[in-house]
Amino acid sequence: GQQVMQIPQYQHVQEGEDFTTYCNSSTTLSNIQWYKQRPGGHPVFLIQLVKSGEVKKQKRLTFQFGEAKKNSSLHITATQTTDVGTYFCAGGTTTSGTYKYIFGTGTRLKVLA
Amino acid sequence: GAGVSQSPSNKVTEKGKDVELRCDPISGHTALYWYRQSLGQGLEFLIYFQGNSAPDKSGLPSDRFSAERTGGSVSTLTIQRTQQEDSAVYLCASSLNREGSPLHFGNGTRLAVT
Repeated sequence: GQQVMQIPQYQHVQEGEDFTTYCNSSTTLSNIQWYKQRPGGHPVFLIQLVKSGEVKKQKRLTFQFGEAKKNSSLHITATQTTDVGTYFCAGGTTTSGTYKYIFGTGTRLKVLA
Repeated sequence: GAGVSQSPSNKVTEKGKDVELRCDPISGHTALYWYRQSLGQGLEFLIYFQGNSAPDKSGLPSDRFSAERTGGSVSTLTIQRTQQEDSAVYLCASSLNREGSPLHFGNGTRLAVT
């Protein structure tokens, strides 16, 4: 079945350093969404990418969707302690008008002050 | 309600007992998902409901797990004869059935099987 992998599994950075997580799907996706889960919380939607090669920015966060629509990345510039949490990508597929999302394995980010 | 509501928030049960977990999605959201998250792990897809279509049960780990969605709204996830490996946080999410609609998650039910 469809699988969505993320690397790295864990990342510890010093505050101010950059961070990138990569998401790879075994199948071509209709779209990809990114979520952030703070420790003890539930995943919260960040953004969606739909077009091949699409790049979107949210302040210090840059999201990319690969040309083949099978991979994606999230880059955080100059991390802050508020960036701590687990970042999940969710690969969206469409079948007969219904939308299903398979979540990636997640990257847990720890920011050291 | 303003968001996805799940109950109970915490459940401790003895091995072998049955449990029911409830999810009340956002009004108007036709898509409903159940995921399982073990401590420090990712989200494991369990089951997906979309309107009146047959649910996608491909993620249910065993026949001890079942779920219903009555009237296209509230959903109940039932685990029969619970085992210790069932201990996890069970998350429910709902969304509009429209490409790009984000998933809105509830706070989850933390299940501990002793």
